[in-house]
Amino acid sequence: NAGVMQNPRHLVRRRGQEARLRCSPMKGHSHVYWYRQLPEEGLKFMVYLQKENIIDESGMPKERFSAEFPKEGPSILRIQQVVRGDSAAYFCASSQSRTGGNEQFFGPGTRLTVL
Amino acid sequence: TQLLEQSPQFLSIQEGENLTVYCNSSSVFSSLQWYRQEPGEGPVLLVTVVTGGEVKKLKRLTFQFGDARKDSSLHITAAQPGDTGLYLCAGPGGSDQFYFGTGTSLTVIP
Repeated sequence: NAGVMQNPRHLVRRRGQEARLRCSPMKGHSHVYWYRQLPEEGLKFMVYLQKENIIDESGMPKERFSAEFPKEGPSILRIQQVVRGDSAAYFCASSQSRTGGNEQFFGPGTRLTVL
Repeated sequence: TQLLEQSPQFLSIQEGENLTVYCNSSSVFSSLQWYRQEPGEGPVLLVTVVTGGEVKKLKRLTFQFGDARKDSSLHITAAQPGDTGLYLCAGPGGSDQFYFGTGTSLTVIP
């Protein structure tokens, strides 16, 4: 039973380019969460999605960032026109049902570096 | 916003020593979780505490949830180099969010 998978593990982009981060949840999980982490800091919630729906995107910047979780395929976090401040580790987590005590399983993360 | 503050932020100790890290909030949480994150990896869940005053043990790790469910502590006995990592507490909030603490970075020196 594969865990949460994220790819790529490392992504380097130049300022102004687009970054696409992919997350495949654990089998049977239909709830996906994206977090951002700066070095030596905790995780900051960005967005919560269920299949084909964005449930809560209150932690995601209004501009340049978008997320989707299509009926088929992985969840995608898309960052357009990246800037240096977007450099961070982006983690995806999945759960079997809504949080509220349910365990979230995390992927290994994608480390984005913007040159 | 339900803020979870952890202390200390950084901790460096010798192998064999004991330590306690804290997770505090002004808000009440229905549950709190502790994660350990190793460099280059995602957080891994260690334990979930649900009941005020609850104590859970995981080998050399002892977790306690405060009576008022606003704080939690993690005590490690006889720390080992393998305990090195970033320890994060987290709790569910409204709107299906999950709030993470600021983290305690632990280094155990052999």
